[in-house]
This record gives sequence, structure tokens and C-alpha cells, in this order.
Amino acid sequence: DVKVTQSSRYLVKRTGEKVFLECVQDMDHENMFWYRQDPGLGLRLIYFSYDVKMKEKGDIPEGYSVSREKKERFSLILESASTNQTSMYLCASGSGDYGYTFGSGTRLTVV
Amino acid sequence: DQQVKQNSPSLSVQEGRISILNCDYTNSMFDYFLWYKKYPAEGPTFLISISSIKDKNEDGRFTVFLNKSAKHLSLHIVPSQPGDSAVYFCAAISEQGAQKLVFGQGTRLTINP
Repeated sequence: DVKVTQSSRYLVKRTGEKVFLECVQDMDHENMFWYRQDPGLGLRLIYFSYDVKMKEKGDIPEGYSVSREKKERFSLILESASTNQTSMYLCASGSGDYGYTFGSGTRLTVV
Repeated sequence: DQQVKQNSPSLSVQEGRISILNCDYTNSMFDYFLWYKKYPAEGPTFLISISSIKDKNEDGRFTVFLNKSAKHLSLHIVPSQPGDSAVYFCAAISEQGAQKLVFGQGTRLTINP
């Protein structure tokens, strides 16, 4: 089974802090994605990557950046955390055959 | 601009009955549709999918119907079981261009014993 591992299940950070969310997949997938889930809004795409060192903006990239230095790892960075970035963050990976697998999510609270 | 819409935030169904979850989309370039199921504090898990060249796909208790002319799809669960209580997300993807999933807002399904 494909495994997508997110480094933290719960995080509490202060406004203005730099926050790193890490995601690792073990199936050599080219595609990796970061979504956030908010009530009433569903899952919204923040950034995605097709390959190492490649990144594309999703629908809501403002306030975020990403890094993909190795194929298995895709990091989401909040440059200066704000309270409106309090959310559930979900990482996914896939091979292009639509079998996208999600991690368990990171519940981030910014205070 | 919500390209995939699930207009019912919640649905309550009696155990053993049929659950029908609906989804509408606006982008005619979508050619593959998926349903994901999500429990609290877990990531979404893939449930069932359908290609735009089909109008029905069945997997056990789950059936997805696609009406391309109406840009509408639905997920039928029969019979509904208590373990089906979860949030269900409809998603769509286009083979052309970026292969990214576009999700609806989700429908919270509650199965009552």
C-alpha cells in the first residue's frame, strides 16, 4: 500500500512564526499535492509538484511556499503564519493514474 | 469559482436504506470523477471513480452515476451501514493540462441505526 506520511498530526504556532509541514511518500510518485480543508469549502489546492524542484501554484497559494528537493518529500512552508491559516492541511501523492493517496493530515492552529 | 459543487452540506439516512449523494460540475473539460470518504482526523480515502466515457460504475454497495449532459454525478450507497457515516467529497480531474483533483465542499452523511 502507498503510504503518505505527514510529520505532525497537531501543531500550535504563534502569529508571525515560520512553519514547516513535511510530507513523505514511499511509492516513487511523480505528483505531490498540498490541500487545506475548511468547513463549507471542501479541499482547496495550495501547491503541487510534478517532479523534483518543480512546483506549480494551486488555487490559494498566497502566504505559502513549497520545496521539493527529493522526489519522496514535499514540504509546505508558511512564511509568516497568520490566524487565517488555521486549518487542516492534507498532503497527497499520485502517479498520474488518478490513484491519489492522502496522508492523515496536520491540524494547524495559529494563535 | 467553484467548479465542483456539492450543494447538500449534510444528509441523514436510516440504516439499511439507500443514501444518495449528489455532485454538480461546471467544467466540461473534466473527464474523470472520483468520490473520497473522510473520517474525522484522517485523510480522505479513495472510494470509487468513473470515466467520462461511462455512465455507471459499481463496486459492491457503492454505485456512481454520471450524467454528462447535465454535468451531474451521484453516489448511491445501498444498503447504508453505520460505518458509512463520514464526509464524502466529490472530485474531478482533466487529463489535459495539470492533473490536479478539484474537490467539492463535501457532504456529511450520518447513518442512523
